Amino acid sequence: KAGVTQTPRYLIKTRGQQVTLSCSPISGHRSVSWYQQTPGQGLQFLFEYFSETQRNKGNFPGRFSGRQFSNSRSEMNVSTLELGDSALYLCASSLPGGDSPLHFGNGTRLTVT
Amino acid sequence: GQQLNQSPQSMFIQEGEDVSMNCTSSSIFNTWLWYKQDPGEGPVLLIALYKAGELTSNGRLTAQFGITRKDSFLNISASIPSDVGIYFCAGQNVGNQFYFGTGTSLTVIP
Repeated sequence: KAGVTQTPRYLIKTRGQQVTLSCSPISGHRSVSWYQQTPGQGLQFLFEYFSETQRNKGNFPGRFSGRQFSNSRSEMNVSTLELGDSALYLCASSLPGGDSPLHFGNGTRLTVT
Repeated sequence: GQQLNQSPQSMFIQEGEDVSMNCTSSSIFNTWLWYKQDPGEGPVLLIALYKAGELTSNGRLTAQFGITRKDSFLNISASIPSDVGIYFCAGQNVGNQFYFGTGTSLTVIP
């Protein structure tokens, strides 16, 4: 079974630009979550989608948004990029409900210059 | 957001030694998970625990779900160089939200 796939693996953008990251979950997983990982802050929860609906949201500004498609694939968008948005963005998928661990992709490394 | 208290922050050990790390929380969790992350990769699930008191092994790794549901520990026996990496704990609450520890960086000296 293929794992969680994230594209692109690396991205370099300049301040003020916007970026879209993509995530394909494990087949059969309908819940997709996004995390931001930085050395200083660790893993910070961005949002979770299930059945094309945002189910939970972390404490990030509105510049961070996401969506999920009917095939459970998800995209995350960051607008008006800031230097502090440089991070590893991780997507994780899971079966809905409890007793289902998160399975992570290898992430997209975003660098904002 | 909430983060779990994970310790130690880093460990430097000799190959062959045993390793122990733990996570504590002020909140109770229904699930405890342990992950390992290598540089440039995403976290990989090592062990999942679903019941208070549960003790689960995965090869040389053993993890336990604390009785109070507020803590968990991970032991690695007879460490080898490929154990190097960052280990994260994660707790899942009744609302199905996940919270992560700050990570334990493990260095194994051959």
